[in-house]
Parts: sequence; structure tokens; C-alpha cells
Amino acid sequence: DFQMTQSPSSLSASVGDRVIITCRASQSIGDWLAWYQQKPGQAPSLMIYKASSLQNGVPSRFSGSGSGTEFTLIISSLQPDDFATYYCLQYNTPWTFGQGTKVEI
Amino acid sequence: EVQLFQSGAEVKKPGESLNISCKASGYSFSSFWIGWVRQVPGKGLEWMGLIYPGDSDTRYSPSFQGQVTISADKSINTAYLQWSSVKASDTAMYYCARLFKGCSGPNCFPSYWGQGTLVTVST
Repeated sequence: DFQMTQSPSSLSASVGDRVIITCRASQSIGDWLAWYQQKPGQAPSLMIYKASSLQNGVPSRFSGSGSGTEFTLIISSLQPDDFATYYCLQYNTPWTFGQGTKVEI
Repeated sequence: EVQLFQSGAEVKKPGESLNISCKASGYSFSSFWIGWVRQVPGKGLEWMGLIYPGDSDTRYSPSFQGQVTISADKSINTAYLQWSSVKASDTAMYYCARLFKGCSGPNCFPSYWGQGTLVTVST
């Protein structure tokens, strides 16, 4: 099975900051990686799929990159609505989520 | 519009059976895999399994195999997650999620999510 290691587990940032979150896979997963945003009391929301494809309606300040075992989610200029927890998901079954990164003020 | 509507919160005692549901609308229910994801309060997301309602092909996470049963009734566009005997450790939020339209097969990611069903197991 594929294990996903996500870092950092939390970070403090300010509006306008560039934020980088990383996921590392235990073995190559190609580009079968998605990123989700979850706000308190809400279901996760798809942000990025296939490592770098932006989901419809997601602001362009979000971007994803990587392939194989190393992946990053970048928020180019953090906005107030972006404070949330972010999860990566590798979707070769069995799926594996990263541990999550809480982005705080 | 694709919608997944989950059944309401449940409070159960250890050892009781439980069945929660996820009713789909706005698309061809039989043609898309639906997955179930667990989230223990304050913790991360865990994949439980997937079902293809068209032929009931089901895949389970090794962590949940034998612990739960995933099923679907395509006549009423509803997927189910069932326990024969719940434990306190089953206390969590459970989400159903439909896989992305552009994929075929279970190696795909969810793009639509239900609102979640909170299950509380306590004496």
C-alpha cells in the first residue's frame, strides 16, 4: 500500500503570504494525487487533481505540482478564506490521505 | 446538479447495528463509483471503501475490511454503510463522495461530497 507523509502538520501565516504544503509518497504514484480543503464543520472540497489540474471554480492562486513521490500545493497569496485544513490524497486503491495541514493565522 | 444527501446523526450503544445512507441525485447513479470516508473528531480523513452501483463491485480499505459493509440500491439511488455491531471507536463523521466524472474505475478521486453523518457510540 501507498503511505503519504504530509508536512507541515500546521503552519501560521498572514494574508498575502506564499504557502507551500508538501506530500511525499512511499512509492511512485505517478500523478494520481489530489488536494482538498476542509473548513470546520464542512465536507472536504476538491482543489487540485492529477497533481496539477485546477478544479473548476478554484481560484488561480492555488497550484499543484509534482509527480512520482514528491508533490506540493502552493497558495501564492493567502487570502482570509484560505484558512483551513488541507489534505492530499493518493487515489490508487487503496486510497491514502495525508495527515493534513492546518493553515492558521 | 449533483447532490449527495446523507441520513441524519445517529446515537448508538456498543453492540447495536447501524445503517447510514447516502442518496444521490442529479446524475446517473449506476455509472459512478461512490466512496465512504471516516473522520474521527479532530482527526484526519480515512478512506473506508468504494462501490460501483451499476454492478455492486466493492473495494474495501484493509483497515475496514470485515468491519463494515458497503452496499447500494440503484432502484432508489442510495448507497449504504452498515455495521453489524458498533464500537465506541466507530464514533466519527462519515462522508460519502462520488468520484470525478472524467475517470473510469476506482482509481479516481472524489469530486462531490455529502454533508456527512455524525455517528456517536456511547453507553
